[in-house]
Amino acid sequence: AQRVTQPEKLLSVFKGAPVELKCNYSYSGSPELFWYVQYSRQRLQLLLRHISRESIKGFTADLNKGETSFHLKKPFAQEEDSAMYYCALINYNQGGKLIFGQGTELSVKP
Amino acid sequence: DSGVTQTPKHLITATGQRVTLRCSPRSGDLSVYWYQQSLDQGLQFLIQYYNGEERAKGNILERFSAQQFPDLHSELNLSSLELGDSALYFCASSVAIGTGSDTQYFGPGTRLTVL
Repeated sequence: AQRVTQPEKLLSVFKGAPVELKCNYSYSGSPELFWYVQYSRQRLQLLLRHISRESIKGFTADLNKGETSFHLKKPFAQEEDSAMYYCALINYNQGGKLIFGQGTELSVKP
Repeated sequence: DSGVTQTPKHLITATGQRVTLRCSPRSGDLSVYWYQQSLDQGLQFLIQYYNGEERAKGNILERFSAQQFPDLHSELNLSSLELGDSALYFCASSVAIGTGSDTQYFGPGTRLTVL
């Protein structure tokens, strides 16, 4: 079954510390993975997608097919990074619906 | 701003009632998706429309229905509302049918409260 797992419900770090938000997936085929960010339960904003290999707001994520992971990383956390982060994969077998993980709340303390 | 609009922003209603949520996709996007976000279930896919046709169905209750109109806006109808239907309902749109490099852009959501 297709599934996305974010093992940490809450991650708390100090400003300037490195951050790694974990995401593991289960998908038969070649996955397309995304990270979305949600500030204060407002709209979901696309942070990055693995096929574009870009860095947004200092965040990067590498797809590791061997470990079936797509962890989100940032070397130096900022207070404005505090938000909910959702990892998602797109299920082509069902029209392109997004399957989301349960989300990780990142709290960056001053 | 993603370009996806949703109305209303907030909706408060009573059990047993029926409501309609509206979504306008980004200009040029043919696909519309509906998601429900609740504290216990997280983000769940409900249904997808592509150019007016239903494309995929997820965990959508029989009391819920949706449609996409010729101008590509979409409506999600929720009837016989129960307390457990209280949630944030998001609409997203994408250019095509969700393959390849297609990316879904989300609207601001409609917060439904059922009393």
